[in-house]
Amino acid sequence: KQEVTQIPAALSVPEGENLVLNCSFTDSAIYNLQWFRQDPGKGLTSLLLIQSSQREQTSGRLNASLDKSSGRSTLYIAASQPGDSATYLCASLGTYKYIFGTGTRLKVLA
Amino acid sequence: GAVVSQHPSRVICKSGTSVKIECRSLDFQATTMFWYRQFPKQSLMLMATSNEGSKATYEQGVEKDKFLINHASLTLSTLTVTSAHPEDSSFYICSARPDRGRSDTQYFGPGTRLTVL
Repeated sequence: KQEVTQIPAALSVPEGENLVLNCSFTDSAIYNLQWFRQDPGKGLTSLLLIQSSQREQTSGRLNASLDKSSGRSTLYIAASQPGDSATYLCASLGTYKYIFGTGTRLKVLA
Repeated sequence: GAVVSQHPSRVICKSGTSVKIECRSLDFQATTMFWYRQFPKQSLMLMATSNEGSKATYEQGVEKDKFLINHASLTLSTLTVTSAHPEDSSFYICSARPDRGRSDTQYFGPGTRLTVL
């Protein structure tokens, strides 16, 4: 049974800092790994999707990497801004369904 | 881009009543949709897979008689919480997998917050 965990659970950083969010999964037989952002009381915004054959994806200040052999993915946020404050969720897609991680609550201080 | 809508966005109901939540794929067809539940400060948990024209597949521990799912068309799935109780209060999110294109893609709705008094 796939389990997805995220470290740290919460993070508070000053504006401008580069930071790394970690995601680990137990079953390496995944189709893709996806990172989402969730603002309080809102739905999900897809940030980056890494297919199983890929090692990383980039979008603006965000870079996500995937290492299937070790069961890990990281989300790198460069030059963090207060607007980046949200909960970040990673999710692995197996045969047909997503398994979500526990989330990292990020607060970027102005 | 692909858009999934949910209605209503918020609902408050009395204990014992039933509540229906709609999930629509606005610009694509989806034979398969998914329903998730999210409790405060917790992650999303898959409740069931909704299949157009057939019965839904429920995850272990989810009561199918309490959470009725109907996928009557290729663009609409509904989740009915029957005889709702305060412990059913949660954030319900649906997703839809397009029939065309990559099979590993799902698009998520904005969620419905249910509060049962």
